[in-house]
Amino acid sequence: AQTVTQSQPEMSVQEAETVTLSCTYDTSESDYYLFWYKQPPSRQMILVIRQEAYKQQNATENRFSVNFQKAAKSFSLKISDSQLGDAAMYFCAYSEYNNNDMRFGAGTRLTVKP
Amino acid sequence: DSGVTQTPKHLITATGQRVTLRCSPRSGDLSVYWYQQSLDQGLQFLIQYYNGEERAKGNILERFSAQQFPDLHSELNLSSLELGDSALYFCASSETSGRFTDTQYFGPGTRLTVL
Repeated sequence: AQTVTQSQPEMSVQEAETVTLSCTYDTSESDYYLFWYKQPPSRQMILVIRQEAYKQQNATENRFSVNFQKAAKSFSLKISDSQLGDAAMYFCAYSEYNNNDMRFGAGTRLTVKP
Repeated sequence: DSGVTQTPKHLITATGQRVTLRCSPRSGDLSVYWYQQSLDQGLQFLIQYYNGEERAKGNILERFSAQQFPDLHSELNLSSLELGDSALYFCASSETSGRFTDTQYFGPGTRLTVL
């Protein structure tokens, strides 16, 4: 079974600084998708960024970017110029191209200090 | 705001009871997904419907069932409730292609407390 591991239960960053959240996954597939979701105190799940495994170029969305290392099965999220509103739980997720399931990591709680 | 709505926001009930959670997807989305988030199990995929038909089934208990109606809203029915069913239940929707790997937009969730 595919597993997603987020080894950092909690992270902290100073406002305006950069932080990287780690995610590793286990799979024998070559085609799959990876996601980062943000869950703020409001508890809603918000898609932050998405990466297709067949794409070598790392996905970016404004201040959010990923470092996708397919061979290492690593998918880290970098948040630049951190803002107070970035404080939330961040979940890494994996989904195969032709599978009916989506697997989530346990989450990383990010605190942003003013 | 993702465009996905869920009602009710909070639900408190007793063991053995049955409840229904409701979800309205984003306008134009044909796929609806249900997830359960609990402290001990984390976030788990339950089931997916696409245009009224069951498309994928995850870790859903037999006491739970769901359906998607012609207007595309979906309901998740939880019966014979146990204390361990207390959790946050999310609904998500995705674009009309119906592929599971489409970007999913999550609703705000329904907090279920079983006493």
